[in-house]
Amino acid sequence: AQKVTQAQTEISVVEKEDVTLDCVYETRDTTYYLFWYKQPPSGELVFLIRRNSFDEQNEISGRYSWNFQKSTSSFNFTITASQVVDSAVYFCALLTGYSSASKIIFGSGTRLSIRP
Amino acid sequence: NAGVMQNPRHLVRRRGQEARLRCSPMKGHSHVYWYRQLPEEGLKFMVYLQKENIIDESGMPKERFSAEFPKEGPSILRIQQVVRGDSAAYFCASSSQEFNQPQHFGDGTRLSIL
Repeated sequence: AQKVTQAQTEISVVEKEDVTLDCVYETRDTTYYLFWYKQPPSGELVFLIRRNSFDEQNEISGRYSWNFQKSTSSFNFTITASQVVDSAVYFCALLTGYSSASKIIFGSGTRLSIRP
Repeated sequence: NAGVMQNPRHLVRRRGQEARLRCSPMKGHSHVYWYRQLPEEGLKFMVYLQKENIIDESGMPKERFSAEFPKEGPSILRIQQVVRGDSAAYFCASSSQEFNQPQHFGDGTRLSIL
């Protein structure tokens, strides 16, 4: 079965703190992609990152970094020196199915609140 | 370079009416996906279409919901005889035909049922 678990429903931190959002996935496929999306209060989905299952290199983009570990089936997301504008719901997602019938499976999301 | 276009952005219907949601994929994309986001939940896959074909509708409710992606024009998600539980945000995504290409999402249609 394919599944994405975001155990943290809500997180609240003070501005400038670092915060890590956890994501654990399940799949039997050897080829798959993992994503993070941001959904600000305005409601649209903002694509943040995509990683394929063969690339376990960690990635850093400004204040954002991602830690992909196949051994623990995790793809965690860290925001360094958080800012109020980072307040949003963040979704981790999994794309499997090396065929035309590929569909994205989303976690339930983590609501992140950054307090000034 | 327009992205995935969804309209309307907001749609209000009374119980029993029909709702039609439109999605124009990115230029050059022939694969369309519809997802539903109930309040305070993540997105759930509904249906995957290619031009004139439904490829996977495993996430579609069995009744009242239908989707199409005609040869010409946008993809349409149609909900007949809407009920309060249909209130949600409906997102459309499109991709090109290769598996390793990302899906690009539209801004969604927020459907409210009175």
